Amino acid sequence: EAGVAQSPRYKIIEKRQSVAFWCNPISGHATLYWYQQILGQGPKLLIQFQNNGVVDDSQLPKDRFSAERLKGVDSTLKIQPAKLEDSAVYLCASSLDSTSGTQYFGPGTRLLVL
Amino acid sequence: GDSVTQMEGPVTLSEEAFLTINCTYTATGYPSLFWYVQYPGEGLQLLLKATKADDKGSNKGFEATYRKETTSFHLEKGSVQVSDSAVYFCALTSNSGYALNFGKGTSLLVTP
Repeated sequence: EAGVAQSPRYKIIEKRQSVAFWCNPISGHATLYWYQQILGQGPKLLIQFQNNGVVDDSQLPKDRFSAERLKGVDSTLKIQPAKLEDSAVYLCASSLDSTSGTQYFGPGTRLLVL
Repeated sequence: GDSVTQMEGPVTLSEEAFLTINCTYTATGYPSLFWYVQYPGEGLQLLLKATKADDKGSNKGFEATYRKETTSFHLEKGSVQVSDSAVYFCALTSNSGYALNFGKGTSLLVTP
């Protein structure tokens, strides 16, 4: 079974530029999560999708971050414009459904904002 | 709100030593509890989980017991190996939402 795929793996941009990350969850997984992991900290939820609907985006900085999951499969996370404090690893995870409890993580995208 | 507190690292042990990484939580209701591991250069992987009080999760020689009376979920292993060197994260999901709420992580280094 293929795991959660993410791209790119690394990205370096300058502040005020925009960037987009892509995630392909495990086939058949209805729930998709985006987490932000700042160096030295645990991952923090940004947004949770159930199929193509948003379940929780309370911690998403909506003035600069946006995410979508068209057709309930792949998802993209965008930052525009980026700030220095956005430097982090962005993790995508998926689970069979929102009640299964077990989430499977992708390798992450490491973002550096200069 | 819900939160997880785990012991700060780094933790350095010799091979075959006993490992304990403490984790306590604050949550309303009855959360599910997890330990995830992040090996160098790899993504987060589920190590073990427990979904109700007194459950014991186990995997790869690691164990953790869900203690509701002490709101704890300490990770233990009787004899660590060099290959166990990684960052370990304690996490919970609450009844009100199923996203993971992580602790800050504990780095473990096992030396030969």
